[in-house]
Amino acid sequence: DAGVTQSPTHLIKTRGQQVTLRCSPKSGHDTVSWYQQALGQGPQFIFQYYEEEERQRGNFPDRFSGHQFPNYSSELNVNALLLGDSALYLCASSPGGLGAFFGQGTRLTVV
Amino acid sequence: GENVEQHPSTLSVQEGDSAVIKCTYSDSASNYFPWYKQELGKGPQLIIDIRSNVGEKKDQRIAVTLNKTAKHFSLHITETQPEDSAVYFCAAVRFTGFQKLVFGTGTRLLVSP
Repeated sequence: DAGVTQSPTHLIKTRGQQVTLRCSPKSGHDTVSWYQQALGQGPQFIFQYYEEEERQRGNFPDRFSGHQFPNYSSELNVNALLLGDSALYLCASSPGGLGAFFGQGTRLTVV
Repeated sequence: GENVEQHPSTLSVQEGDSAVIKCTYSDSASNYFPWYKQELGKGPQLIIDIRSNVGEKKDQRIAVTLNKTAKHFSLHITETQPEDSAVYFCAAVRFTGFQKLVFGTGTRLLVSP
C-alpha cells in the first residue's frame, strides 16, 4: 500500500512565477491537508480539502489555492511567488478522523 | 487560536539513556495530541498519539503522558538508539470533525553511540 506521494520532490522557481504541487493520498483516505514548513520550523497549516471543497484554511494569502479531485488527489497552487515562499510543502492525508499521514514533501526554492 | 510551545529545542543523550520532550498548549478544548518524527529530507512520521480522555500511552520504547489540567504533554523515549536521532514535533488538535494540526517548534534529538 503506497503511502502519501507528492510530486515533484524539488522545484526551483523565479519570483513572480506560479507553481503547482501535487499529492496523492494514502489509499482509503478522503481528506487532504497542506502544510508549509520553513527551515527549522514546525509545519504550518495552509488548508484542508474534503469532498472536493476547501473546508478549513490557515493564515495564508489568497495567492495560495488548491483543488481536490474526485479520486481524492489534490493540488496546491501558489501564484506570484515571493522569496519567502521558499519552504518544504507537505501534504497530509487522513481517513476523515484522527491521524494524519504525511508525504515526503516538495522542496520549493524561489530565486 | 491554539499555540503550542515545545522544549528543549535540542537534546543530546548517550545511547541507552532516556529522553524527554515537553510541550504545552493553550487551547483547553484541544483533544488530540500526536507526536511526529522527522528525519532529514523526509516528511513527518506519526510515532504515537494520545487522546484527551487518556493520561498515558505506551508503545515499546516510547510513551506519551498528558496532563489536561496543566495543559502539557510529554514524549518519553527509553533506551535511546542512534536511529532515534531526528527532529521530533508535538502537535495539538481541537478535533470537531476537522483536523488542523498545530505544531510545536521541534526538538532536535541527537543520540551518540
